[in-house]
Amino acid sequence: TQLLEQSPQFLSIQEGENLTVYCNSSSVFSSLQWYRQEPGEGPVLLVTVVTGGEVKKLKRLTFQFGDARKDSSLHITAAQPGDTGLYLCAGVSSGTYKYIFGTGTRLKVLA
Amino acid sequence: GAVVSQHPSWVICKSGTSVKIECRSLDFQATTMFWYRQFPKQSLMLMATSNEGSKATYEQGVEKDKFLINHASLTLSTLTVTSAHPEDSSFYICSATRDIRYEQYFGPGTRLTVT
Repeated sequence: TQLLEQSPQFLSIQEGENLTVYCNSSSVFSSLQWYRQEPGEGPVLLVTVVTGGEVKKLKRLTFQFGDARKDSSLHITAAQPGDTGLYLCAGVSSGTYKYIFGTGTRLKVLA
Repeated sequence: GAVVSQHPSWVICKSGTSVKIECRSLDFQATTMFWYRQFPKQSLMLMATSNEGSKATYEQGVEKDKFLINHASLTLSTLTVTSAHPEDSSFYICSATRDIRYEQYFGPGTRLTVT
């Protein structure tokens, strides 16, 4: 069974702090996505990474895809209360094209 | 953009009745659509994958006779929960993709409550 482990599972921080969320697997992915989901809504796509070692930035969010395309990280600089939500990574497994979701990281940013 | 809509956004039904949920890709043609179920404070659980014009592929443990999926066109998929029971109460989310090698775009979800 392919797994995508996210860490940490829960994170509660003060506004202005930095944080990093990790997404790890033993499987290789042809692409990997990060989503943010708020209560009662569907996940919203933040980014897609495709190339090993790729780094993408979205305002205060920086996404990195591991060189071997097995892991990824999401770094948030100067977190704000609006960043609160459930962050999900998801990867498309190479060959089978199965879409594997991470276990999720629930972030709460306190004002 | 890539917008996916779901209807209804919430529904309450009585035990034993059937409920249909629609999923539409509004501004693109989706080669594949997916149906997920999400329990409170958990990640998404894939129920089934559907391609236009062919039978859906159900994940292990998902009853295909209970959760009927029809993918009538490249922009519309429906999930019908037949003979619903309280344990079917959940948040159902659909997604659609242009290319299964890349991202999925999610609908806003449907909250189903069976009384």
